[in-house]
Amino acid sequence: KNEVEQSPQNLTAQEGEFITINCSYSVGISALHWLQQHPGGGIVSLFMLSSGKKKHGRLIATINIQEKHSSLHITASHPRDSAVYICAVRGSNSGYALNFGKGTSLLVTP
Amino acid sequence: DSGVTQTPKHLITATGQRVTLRCSPRSGDLSVYWYQQSLDQGLQFLIQYYNGEERAKGNILERFSAQQFPDLHSELNLSSLELGDSALYFCASSVEGGSGNTIYFGEGSWLTVV
Repeated sequence: KNEVEQSPQNLTAQEGEFITINCSYSVGISALHWLQQHPGGGIVSLFMLSSGKKKHGRLIATINIQEKHSSLHITASHPRDSAVYICAVRGSNSGYALNFGKGTSLLVTP
Repeated sequence: DSGVTQTPKHLITATGQRVTLRCSPRSGDLSVYWYQQSLDQGLQFLIQYYNGEERAKGNILERFSAQQFPDLHSELNLSSLELGDSALYFCASSVEGGSGNTIYFGEGSWLTVV
């Protein structure tokens, strides 16, 4: 069983919709990352969280350390948001290694 | 553009061969990470170097090795290649190696073993 579980695996939304992607993990962590991977393959780091909430443009990431859960929200979604979103955690006892979720494939249609 | 440069972008080679993937981190970043992304395994951490020294090791096979040079660029050497080694190999860098740093990814090197 993967230590990092994401849901949903696939998501289709219409332009303008509010989107939520969830990430649950089973180990104590020192940091959680949200990554975006576009069809061409490149990966962009969106957020790094250890507590609370962060916002960047239309993207919001939250984390609840007690519940071992994080969410990535996209407001007013746009077709250019179509990508795979990956949650990754750095365990408290795993040094500097990142443990990745399988990713959520998002398609936003016009 | 993340500032992390990986070469080559694409590579096709035969089973049993050896290849070297190269990574130049962002200017000023001391830490380099290597990751493998395959269809069945997803993204996996391979190894991390910090300022020339190995800092953390993940699911890296014995046939694979890496190093970070004094100018901070890094190389990932893959030998005795098998079909299952076909994957996208990412390099990433960060200022330091701690958990509080944003990680910047390169565009990846696509390796196809035939």
